[in-house]
Amino acid sequence: QKEVEQNSGPLSVPEGAIASLNCTYSDRVSQSFFWYRQYSGKSPELIMSIYSNGDKEDGRFTAQLNKASQYVSLLIRDSQPSDSATYLCAVKGSARQLTFGSGTQLTVLP
Amino acid sequence: NAGVTQTPKFQVLKTGQSMTLQCAQDMNHNSMYWYRQDPGMGLRLIYYSASEGTTDKGEVPNGYNVSRLNKREFSLRLESAAPSQTSVYFCASSEAGTSYGYTFGSGTRLTVV
Repeated sequence: QKEVEQNSGPLSVPEGAIASLNCTYSDRVSQSFFWYRQYSGKSPELIMSIYSNGDKEDGRFTAQLNKASQYVSLLIRDSQPSDSATYLCAVKGSARQLTFGSGTQLTVLP
Repeated sequence: NAGVTQTPKFQVLKTGQSMTLQCAQDMNHNSMYWYRQDPGMGLRLIYYSASEGTTDKGEVPNGYNVSRLNKREFSLRLESAAPSQTSVYFCASSEAGTSYGYTFGSGTRLTVV
C-alpha cells in the first residue's frame, strides 16, 4: 500500500464546475497536509496547506481534512481552463519529510 | 527574489559518466531536499539535509551522493550514471518544522543513454 494515494485520473470537468480531488494517507500520526499544482513541464507550486480537521478556504480553493478517515481533499470552485494541471497531495508524517502522491491530472474543458 | 535555483536545466549523459546537479536557495531555509519525478511514480525523495552539516538518505538513495556545501547550497552527484537514472530532478527547500511546505526549483531534465 502506498503511503499517499490519489486517483491518477484524468479528471475532466466543464468550465465553471466544481473539481473535487481526493487523497488518502496511511501514516496515522501525519500532522501536515499540502496540495501542490504542477503544470506540464514545470515544478510543483504550493497552493494550500491544512493542519486541523475541517475546511480551509483560500479564494476558489477549499482544502478538507478528516484525520479519523485519513482523508484529505481539494475542491476547486468555478473551475477555469487555467486550472488544468496535475495536483499533488503531500503529507508530512512521522518521517518529518513530505511524502507525495502520484498526482491527479485535471482538465477543465472550455 | 530567485527562490530555489537549479542548474543545469537539461543534461544528456552517456552510461557511466558522472555529473553534479547544483542547487542554491536564497530564502535562508534550514532544510533542503532532492527529489526525482518519474511518470506514474510521483515525487520520490533521494536525499535530504535537515540543516547545514547534516545529510540523510531518502526513499531512493542508491547511485547518488549529496553535499550540503553551506546553508544555501545542496548538490546531488551521480558517480556513474545509468539509464534508470533518467528522470526529472527537483531540488526543494523549507523552514524546519512540520508546518512548512517546500519551495521547489525549476528542475533538471536528465537523460542517460
